[in-house]
Amino acid sequence: DTEVTQTPKHLVMGMTNKKSLKCEQHMGHRAMYWYKQKAKKPPELMFVYSYEKLSINESVPSRFSPECPNSSLLNLHLHALQPEDSALYLCASSRGNEQFFGPGTRLTVL
Amino acid sequence: GQQVMQIPQYQHVQEGEDFTTYCNSSTTLSNIQWYKQRPGGHPVFLIQLVKSGEVKKQKRLTFQFGEAKKNSSLHITATQTTDVGTYFCAGPGNTPLVFGKGTRLSVIA
Repeated sequence: DTEVTQTPKHLVMGMTNKKSLKCEQHMGHRAMYWYKQKAKKPPELMFVYSYEKLSINESVPSRFSPECPNSSLLNLHLHALQPEDSALYLCASSRGNEQFFGPGTRLTVL
Repeated sequence: GQQVMQIPQYQHVQEGEDFTTYCNSSTTLSNIQWYKQRPGGHPVFLIQLVKSGEVKKQKRLTFQFGEAKKNSSLHITATQTTDVGTYFCAGPGNTPLVFGKGTRLSVIA
């Protein structure tokens, strides 16, 4: 299995909602990432997990809360988001330097 | 912090023409990677360059890493409509991977 899967593909939520994004990989990669990508922009790193521990938080607002339940799963919990948080949220995992990206969740915050 | 600059921002070519995108870093890089993102898709790893002056080829794609390991280029020979997408260079910096702004390639049939 050489892919990263993400659910849901699309998500529309209100500013008072709580939702979660899920990411899964079965390549045995021990580093996993959350990126945010706005239209016509490069991916921006949000969080890095290394061996299931949070190793990098790029000053992301607390309304985004990551979680790594085990070495194959990565979640991003969302609460009280703002319309400007609408974007494509990409999960990635890596072996060495090469990063494998999931298809992303396209999030719209109303 | 480390910055990765990429030019051009956009490139429109006729099918069959060549295409080149350039990447420059403010600091020496231990490696540089290239990713392709199709419209509506996600970034897909193309290649990693590690050695000074390295040149690698993948069919019609040629990747180069500069002698000073601060710049890189991707050249596509005889573009096809399947080459459409945004090409990103990326290198290690303050975070594991810092992306350039990307070059969006359009190919007119």
